[in-house]
Amino acid sequence: EADIYQTPRYLVIGTGKKITLECSQTMGHDKMYWYQQDPGMELHLIHYSYGVNSTEKGDLSSESTVSRIRTEHFPLTLESARPSHTSQYLCASSGQGNYGYTFGSGTRLTVV
Amino acid sequence: QKEVEQDPGPLSVPEGAIVSLNCTYSNSAFQYFMWYRQYSRKGPELLMYTYSSGNKEDGRFTAQVDKSSKYISLFIRDSQPSDSATYLCAMSYDNYGQNFVFGPGTRLSVLP
Repeated sequence: EADIYQTPRYLVIGTGKKITLECSQTMGHDKMYWYQQDPGMELHLIHYSYGVNSTEKGDLSSESTVSRIRTEHFPLTLESARPSHTSQYLCASSGQGNYGYTFGSGTRLTVV
Repeated sequence: QKEVEQDPGPLSVPEGAIVSLNCTYSNSAFQYFMWYRQYSRKGPELLMYTYSSGNKEDGRFTAQVDKSSKYISLFIRDSQPSDSATYLCAMSYDNYGQNFVFGPGTRLSVLP
């Protein structure tokens, strides 16, 4: 079944740790995105990619980095986690001719 | 003023009611409009995608766009407890995902 997968679903980690949030999609979509979602707030775009070896920062300043070495894989890395990084991170994808996004179930990150 | 405004709710209605969810926006250049449904602890899923003004119907759901008033609506007929979720509107002036602007969402509860 074509889908988009995020792991882990929940993560509690200590300040200063390096973490990588995984996102993979099986739909062959060329466009992928990372959003940050806080309760009652708008989704904010933090990174996006329009294809392999193409990554851009979104409108929300973020200390995270991303890579796109394979079409299906778009991991997000935080080199040194801080409590201010506590949030839900949503990965999404869209394909040529597709309108709107397919979202993953999200990773809920808590930095203590 | 935020680009997209949406009443956060919560909105509680009895089963079978007609639900009206709304967003207002300030950017007259927006012409792509979307509604997403997000269940608790899940990612958003695309419900409706419309271009420019007018109505679009899909089963119990009708999306309406009034560009002259900068106002969009989602109507749910014969609401069911399974419709209980947060509904997000999103819009853009083009079809490039990095330019989508999301509302904060309206939390809906349909009571049996």
